[in-house]
Amino acid sequence: AQSVAQPEDQVNVAEGNPLTVKCTYSVSGNPYLFWYVQYPNRGLQFLLKYITGDNLVKGSYGFEAEFNKSQTSFHLKKPSALVSDSALYFCAVRDPTGTASKLTFGTGTRLQVTL
Amino acid sequence: GAGVSQSPSNKVTEKGKDVELRCDPISGHTALYWYRQRLGQGLEFLIYFQGNSAPDKSGLPSDRFSAERTGESVSTLTIQRTQQEDSAVYLCASSPPGGTYEQYFGPGTRLTVT
Repeated sequence: AQSVAQPEDQVNVAEGNPLTVKCTYSVSGNPYLFWYVQYPNRGLQFLLKYITGDNLVKGSYGFEAEFNKSQTSFHLKKPSALVSDSALYFCAVRDPTGTASKLTFGTGTRLQVTL
Repeated sequence: GAGVSQSPSNKVTEKGKDVELRCDPISGHTALYWYRQRLGQGLEFLIYFQGNSAPDKSGLPSDRFSAERTGESVSTLTIQRTQQEDSAVYLCASSPPGGTYEQYFGPGTRLTVT
């Protein structure tokens, strides 16, 4: 069975500093990995995905994520955080060897960016 | 273009009543998904449609939950005899054909069972 772990419930960072939101996964085959962001009272917005190819994936709003197969990780990063980045971030995985297309989500990490 | 829409945005119902939640996917998206998000938790997969067939219903928590989809358009999630533990935000997502895999989510329906 596929699973995702987001070990931090909350990450606090000052505006202008780099941020990292951690994600590790477990699947039987090569994973398809995703990051979503959820702003208050809104649905999830797609940020970026890794399917194959370059391990460093760039997405929306200046975010990027690095796929590390040996560490089974897909950490979300941004070089310089903005207060407007404060939101709930979800990592998700899809096992391409399975018959279902469902995404399995982590429990989410709340990012708080302060001035 | 228009995104995924869901209605109602909020629903308060009494325990034991039936509710219907509606999802309008993005036009042309063949795959449709329902998830449940309980307060402070991650998303829990409920059901997946490819066209109007449902190859994966493994996430439906009980036989009180059912869903249907008309062609490649609207889907309804029905919860019969609602219980307080059904209170959650129900999210719908759709995906385009062609193997891009990302899912586009609607704003959700917040269900409160009193």
